[in-house]
Amino acid sequence: EDQVTQSPEALRLQEGESSSLNCSYTVSGLRGLFWYRQDPGKGPEFLFTLYSAGEEKEKERLKATLTKKESFLHITAPKPEDSATYLCAVQARGGSNYKLTFGKGTLLTVNP
Amino acid sequence: NAGVTQTPKFRILKIGQSMTLQCTQDMNHNYMYWYRQDPGMGLKLIYYSVGAGITDKGEVPNGYNVSRSTTEDFPLRLELAAPSQTSVYFCASRPDLIYGYTFGSGTRLTVV
Repeated sequence: EDQVTQSPEALRLQEGESSSLNCSYTVSGLRGLFWYRQDPGKGPEFLFTLYSAGEEKEKERLKATLTKKESFLHITAPKPEDSATYLCAVQARGGSNYKLTFGKGTLLTVNP
Repeated sequence: NAGVTQTPKFRILKIGQSMTLQCTQDMNHNYMYWYRQDPGMGLKLIYYSVGAGITDKGEVPNGYNVSRSTTEDFPLRLELAAPSQTSVYFCASRPDLIYGYTFGSGTRLTVV
């Protein structure tokens, strides 16, 4: 069974204090790993897709990386508007694997 | 381009009542999904569809039903509502398995 574990559950940073969120996964062949941002009361918003170990993607202050066992979401010099819940999800290979498996998320709070 | 549209945004049901949560996408996506999100539990898959006329159960299908008569629409039916179905429901779609989901804005359902 595919599993996704995110850590920490919650992270509080000061504005400008860089850090990383972790997503560990167990999957029978990875087709893709996805990062989402979710603001309170809204649906998750797509951030990145990573397909193979060693791949990196960047968007503004966010950078996602992928190894064979985990992914990191690095946040450089965060601002209060980066406060949100960040979700990680995996898509397994195989003919009957039609769904994404999600982690429980990391709640990020950035204080001014 | 509206993306994924969910209605209603909020609803209060009495125990034993029934209702249909509507989901429509205008992106011609083949794959559509219904998830529920509960605090601390992450996103749980209720039902999914790989195309018009084809649906299948996810992790938590009991008490729900779906249909997919067109590519655009994927309604979720709740029969005999129970307090355990109090949750936030998200509909999502994607064109192919290598892509992430596009989520709707959610329906917050309370059963009293």
